[in-house]
Amino acid sequence: GQNIDQPTEMTATEGAIVQINCTYQTSGFNGLFWYQQHAGEAPTFLSYNVLDGLEEKGRFSSFLSRSKGYSYLLLKELQMKDSASYLCAVSNSGYALNFGKGTSLLVTP
Amino acid sequence: ETGVTQTPRHLVMGMTNKKSLKCEQHLGHNAMYWYKQSAKKPLELMFVYNFKEQTENNSVPSRFSPECPNSSHLFLHLHTLQPEDSALYLCASRRATNSPLHFGNGTRLTVT
Repeated sequence: GQNIDQPTEMTATEGAIVQINCTYQTSGFNGLFWYQQHAGEAPTFLSYNVLDGLEEKGRFSSFLSRSKGYSYLLLKELQMKDSASYLCAVSNSGYALNFGKGTSLLVTP
Repeated sequence: ETGVTQTPRHLVMGMTNKKSLKCEQHLGHNAMYWYKQSAKKPLELMFVYNFKEQTENNSVPSRFSPECPNSSHLFLHLHTLQPEDSALYLCASRRATNSPLHFGNGTRLTVT
């Protein structure tokens, strides 16, 4: 099975940087995904890591350490529209993709 | 337009009703998924189909019955549901195990 942990809630200020952590335990690993979900909407894909290191995509970056079972999503130059839930998901060796509970991020003025 | 279309968007049903949720993807993907999303809980994987063959069934009660007639369509047949089954049901698809899931907008189900 899988155990995926991430903080329940975080608050940050507009223009700041925030790091959302995710730890996981899994039998078989085929990559880690981050998704963003606004209230009442479907989750949308942000990033994918399968090798150790940092993947940068505009204001968003994601890091993976497979030996530590650890990932983080880094959001820079926060905007009000970044207030959403951020979901960490781990892919095992099959087609299953399992999600953590999500981190609800509130960006304040 | 997400490329994955779910109908209906909202559904209210009694515990003795039978209804079906429909999902259609226009992305040419091979794998299709059903997830359940309840408040304060993680997205729960229910079923996975790859090339119309079921590859995952996460101990889902038999009152939920999936059907995948082809790689573009996925159904979830519902019968004798319980109030705790009220949730957002999300369909998703993806091309391969190293590619992201694309989600539909979901069906908000309320069981009375």
